[in-house]
Amino acid sequence: DARVTQTPRHKVTEMGQEVTMRCQPILGHNTVFWYRQTMMQGLELLAYFRNRAPLDDSGMPKDRFSAEMPDATLATLKIQPSEPRDSAVYFCASVRVADNTGELFFGEGSRLTVL
Amino acid sequence: SQQGEEDPQALSIQEGENATMNCSYKTSINNLQWYRQNSGRGLVHLILIRSNEREKHSGRLRVTLDTSKKSSSLLITASRAADTASYFCATVPSGNTGKLIFGQGTTLQVKP
Repeated sequence: DARVTQTPRHKVTEMGQEVTMRCQPILGHNTVFWYRQTMMQGLELLAYFRNRAPLDDSGMPKDRFSAEMPDATLATLKIQPSEPRDSAVYFCASVRVADNTGELFFGEGSRLTVL
Repeated sequence: SQQGEEDPQALSIQEGENATMNCSYKTSINNLQWYRQNSGRGLVHLILIRSNEREKHSGRLRVTLDTSKKSSSLLITASRAADTASYFCATVPSGNTGKLIFGQGTTLQVKP
């Protein structure tokens, strides 16, 4: 049963600390998205990658956020330093563009609380 | 920035009734998709409709698309308590390489 795996599922940290969230996309999927979900803003696209190259990270605050794909099986989203306003659920999603279904497969999310 | 806006924001119905949710978007699109999210879980894809399609069915789901009005609707027929969830429309803007932008969602409660 192929699925997108995100770790950690929950993270509580203090303001100023570094936070790293990880995502393992479905094997064979070549496009990976990072979304942030809050009650106020809904689902915001932060960044996405195709074949490990960043295509668009315009939704991401550049001063403190960074996203990378060290290899095809791992995507990371890092916040340094974290702030209380970063508290949200961060979702990773993946898709294989060649399938032409357009269907994104989402992980269960990483719930971040910054105190 | 959000592409889609859903209406209503919240909907409460009795089991067995039909639920209709609407989505409006701003720019021309390649396709429009609907997703469902149960509380505390990730989003799950329900259905995709392409810009050259007007209506699509999948089980108890019916989706319509009116590109002239830049709007779509999702109809769930004969709703069940298990349909209680948030429903999101998402669009892939024309000329874009698969970037999916979500609306704010409709929260549906189906009472048994």
